[in-house]
Amino acid sequence: GAGVSQSPSNKVTEKGKDVELRCDPISGHTALYWYRQSLGQGLEFLIYFQGNSAPDKSGLPSDRFSAERTGGSVSTLTIQRTQQEDSAVYLCASSFEVADYNEQFFGPGTRLTVL
Amino acid sequence: SQQGEEDPQALSIQEGENATMNCSYKTSINNLQWYRQNSGRGLVHLILIRSNEREKHSGRLRVTLDTSKKSSSLLITASRAADTASYFCATALSGGYNKLIFGAGTRLAVHP
Repeated sequence: GAGVSQSPSNKVTEKGKDVELRCDPISGHTALYWYRQSLGQGLEFLIYFQGNSAPDKSGLPSDRFSAERTGGSVSTLTIQRTQQEDSAVYLCASSFEVADYNEQFFGPGTRLTVL
Repeated sequence: SQQGEEDPQALSIQEGENATMNCSYKTSINNLQWYRQNSGRGLVHLILIRSNEREKHSGRLRVTLDTSKKSSSLLITASRAADTASYFCATALSGGYNKLIFGAGTRLAVHP
């Protein structure tokens, strides 16, 4: 079966522009997570969805970042008025349900470069 | 701030040798997971160990967990050039919902 997919794989944008990053989780996975990885660093949690609800948005760096999930499936991460420090790889992961033993399956990521 | 810290930051070994990576964390956890990342992109889940477990094996991988010391280790035996990658530990906090907190990773290079 298909894994987690993300689009675009690469995005280059100018400072101040808005960008949308898309994540298609594995079918049937109710939990969805967004992470960010800056160059040479570990992953930083951004937001978590259970179904269409986002109980934890605590990792979003600023109010320029928002995310939504529709139909319990596809999620979109939106960054408004992008800044150079937003440059990173944005990774999405999904799992069957929220439980303390569920493996998260990661997508290939979107590499965002803000010029 | 990062929950986990891996040690060493980088490790260089010859094929056939064993590689040991360590991870320390700060708060109570539900589970600890190890992931591998090639070329800075996709992460591959290697193994999950729950807080009430002390050791798990998967193929050439052996993971230990010491909750009293808040530390874990990943041992890769008989390493291969294909094991060259970055390895991350990630903790799922107690009372949470499996949100993972990652360390900065260990870069492993296995030379033929």
